[in-house]
Amino acid sequence: EPEVTQTPSHQVTQMGQEVILRCVPISNHLYFYWYRQILGQKVEFLVSFYNNEISEKSEIFDDQFSVERPDGSNFTLKIRSTKLEDSAMYFCASSVRKINTDTQYFGPGTRLTVL
Amino acid sequence: AQKITQTQPGMFVQEKEAVTLDCTYDTSDQSYGLFWYKQPSSGEMIFLIYQGSYDEQNATEGRYSLNFQKARKSANLVISASQLGDSAMYFCATSNAGKSTFGDGTTLTVKP
Repeated sequence: EPEVTQTPSHQVTQMGQEVILRCVPISNHLYFYWYRQILGQKVEFLVSFYNNEISEKSEIFDDQFSVERPDGSNFTLKIRSTKLEDSAMYFCASSVRKINTDTQYFGPGTRLTVL
Repeated sequence: AQKITQTQPGMFVQEKEAVTLDCTYDTSDQSYGLFWYKQPSSGEMIFLIYQGSYDEQNATEGRYSLNFQKARKSANLVISASQLGDSAMYFCATSNAGKSTFGDGTTLTVKP
């Protein structure tokens, strides 16, 4: 069964460093998403992406965040200058259609630790 | 803006019994989706069940069913015949126009 994959599973970085989290969505899916979950808290929407541009973004997704689909398979989240409060689990998800009419499938997550 | 309320931070159920996890939502959108996800202690998010706002029938997926009451804006998850492996955090979520909003979650513990 096709699944969303994410690399790395765990990333440790120093405050102020740039990180890139990578995701490979399910191949026939057209909509891509990033979420984060701070330890012990709920899942928070960051951004959705369709047709090579951002569809929606939350207030969390400020100028230090960016997303890109550099090729036909990868979908990346870049954090330019990490802060301690960026430490969280980051989930990528994808869906065939818009998620008010379709299921989104989550990857296993990347645990980001900022020291 | 969308909002999801899960009023039960923790629930206990005896193995093989049914349990209902509550979820109410607040949205002004006409078209939206409602989802339930399971998050075991290992951390992954597992899709359980989906209900579209225009679906008249309640969604079912195996032991999971969604009790959708549109007028009350509630979307409760019913798990029948609970198993020990059902112990996890359960999140209700709503989605519209490319954005999802999650509730705070309910921790379900299944007792042997």
